[in-house]
Formats: sequence, structure tokens, C-alpha cells
Amino acid sequence: QSVLTQPPSASGTPGQRVTIFCSGSTSNIGSNTVNWYQHLPGTAPKLLIYSNNQRPSGVPDRFSGSKSGTSASLAISGLQSDDEADYFCATWDDSLNGYVFGTGTKVTVL
Amino acid sequence: QVQLRESGPGLVKPSQTLSLTCTVSGESISSGDDYWGWIRQPAGKGLEWIGRIHSSWATNYNPSLRSRVTISADTSKNQLSLKLSSVTAADTGVYYCARATVTRVGTAMVYYFDSWGQGTLVTVSS
Repeated sequence: QSVLTQPPSASGTPGQRVTIFCSGSTSNIGSNTVNWYQHLPGTAPKLLIYSNNQRPSGVPDRFSGSKSGTSASLAISGLQSDDEADYFCATWDDSLNGYVFGTGTKVTVL
Repeated sequence: QVQLRESGPGLVKPSQTLSLTCTVSGESISSGDDYWGWIRQPAGKGLEWIGRIHSSWATNYNPSLRSRVTISADTSKNQLSLKLSSVTAADTGVYYCARATVTRVGTAMVYYFDSWGQGTLVTVSS
């Protein structure tokens, strides 16, 4: 069972803004930076956001991340059909001395 | 540009040992300060970190898997390996290897996987 909690699903129409939240604790999100991955079944997960709000080269600025206390969020603006995927938050957990992933959120474009 | 490719048996019998190899190209696994990790996605579930190995060959494992996992490296072949013993059906899933970048900003750990293999499906069944 993951120590990072996400809503199982989120949805929006094309062009809308969708926000996904990730809830943790002081030993993980509260102490370390958060990353977000996009995962399409059958493919390799893709790093979307690292260090709370940094985008790797090639990731559109429609994707943005933030962190406050023991929670983090990923916002997708200008939602596109290509954004339909599973999204996972992740961070290092000092108590477990390991890397932890969130439970995952499936984003559907209506 | 670093590339990773997982390989190994797609079918493992219960109670046996799962053995996978990750072949890395474009970067030496023994140079720099990178970590190399294994992650899996059990059938119908989310991503789960299995463990990591540093270029110094230090390892860390997921506490829930520690008693069954061994991650090692073969520098002559630029490969990583994963061994998971006493497997059950719960170990069925897609297994990925990935490169992790790790730094610190103050006391905060900045740790993320920036390059992934395509993954390999392992089924545990008799």
C-alpha cells in the first residue's frame, strides 16, 4: 500500500485545466522534492515534473507542478486527447529509506 | 543519450527466482554519480520501487522486498541485474530499469528517474 495518496481518476474536456493532488507525510513530501510521471500502458513512464516544479526539456509548459507542506499537485492546462494516461507522483521517503510512488490517477479526456 | 533495455524470462514458476538483466548503452554504469534502479508495476496496480544501485555499488532496497531482492552490476557488459527469490503470483507484472539522478538541495533529497527502459512482462505461474 502506497504512502502517497492520489485520487483514482480525473477528467476534463479538451482545453480545460485538470489538477491532480498527491498527499503524503512529513517523512516524504514534507522533507523531499516531488516528481510526476506520465504513464501510458505498454510504454515506459515519462518524467513530467522533477524537483516539485521543474520541467525536463521537451515537456510542454501546459504541465506544471507545485508543493505545499505534505501535499503536491500537478496541473494540466489546455487538456488534449494525448494527455489521457496514468499520472503518478513520487518522492524519497526518509523513514522507509526508499523511493515511493503515489497510487496513480487516471486522466480521461471527455 | 542513455538507453536501457530489460531482458529475461517472461515466465517464472512459483517459489523460483526471477532474474532480469538491464543493458545500458550511451553511458557507463560505473562512472558519474548516477543511481540505477528497478521499478515494477504489478498486474492491475501502480508503480512500485524495488531498489537501486549506485556507481559505487552501494545498494538500497524497498523494505517490503528486501529479504528477497538482490541488485548487482556487471561493468564488463555495462549491465544491471535483478534477482527476486521465492516469487508468487503477486510478483507478476511489468519490470522496468531506469537511471536516477540524485542530488540534495539543503536537506531535501532531489531524486528522479529520467531515463527508463521499455519494460518487460514477467508472469509467475506453474
